[in-house]
Amino acid sequence: QSVLTQPPSVSAAPGQKVTISCSGSSSNIGNNYVSWYQQLPGTAPKLLIYDHNKRPSGIPDRFSGSKSDTSATLGITGLQTGDEADYYCGAWDSSLSGLVFGGGTKLTVL
Amino acid sequence: EVQLVESGGGLVQPGGSLKLSCAASGFTFSGSAMHWVRQASGKGLEWVGRIGSKGNDYATAYAASVKGRFTISRDDSENTACLQMNSLKTEDTAVYYCTSVVVVAAASRFAFDLWGQGTMVTVSS
Repeated sequence: QSVLTQPPSVSAAPGQKVTISCSGSSSNIGNNYVSWYQQLPGTAPKLLIYDHNKRPSGIPDRFSGSKSDTSATLGITGLQTGDEADYYCGAWDSSLSGLVFGGGTKLTVL
Repeated sequence: EVQLVESGGGLVQPGGSLKLSCAASGFTFSGSAMHWVRQASGKGLEWVGRIGSKGNDYATAYAASVKGRFTISRDDSENTACLQMNSLKTEDTAVYYCTSVVVVAAASRFAFDLWGQGTMVTVSS
């Protein structure tokens, strides 16, 4: 069981919008920065969002991040078939003194 | 080219040892903390541990699941980080990635924007 809780799967049609939630606690999301990663099948994770809502260079603005209290959300608009992947949230946990990840969410673009 | 390349994975018996290496290039390795993250087949990401830079006294930290069994080291002259794994268990079977914060000017020390391709470790008799 992961410290950060994500839905196992989400789906939406091409062109639509989807959100992926990441629920934690005051020891992680509540007081530390959240990052989001995209992992395409058979590849290493890729940084999508850092510091709750910032995008690295090259990440399109279709991807967005937000945080409220002890939860974070990844938003993806204008869905494309190439967005089909597993998405993970991550944050430092001050109580565990370790980095924790969510269990991952599989996005299906129908 | 900015990259991380892992090596050293393979098949090892329970209770055995294995040492993974991560070769870095294209960025200032000596100034970067290096982390290891693993992923069992069909499962999620699990942080293994990290080693800080010289400026942070090469401080190490480990996940509870590997503490006392795994050791992370680095050689700044060779631009290499290593993960020494002892007393291996079947549950340590996973792809092991090395990763770091290299480009992004993040407030977070855990916004990993550079990942290696991963190396597979199989613990089985």
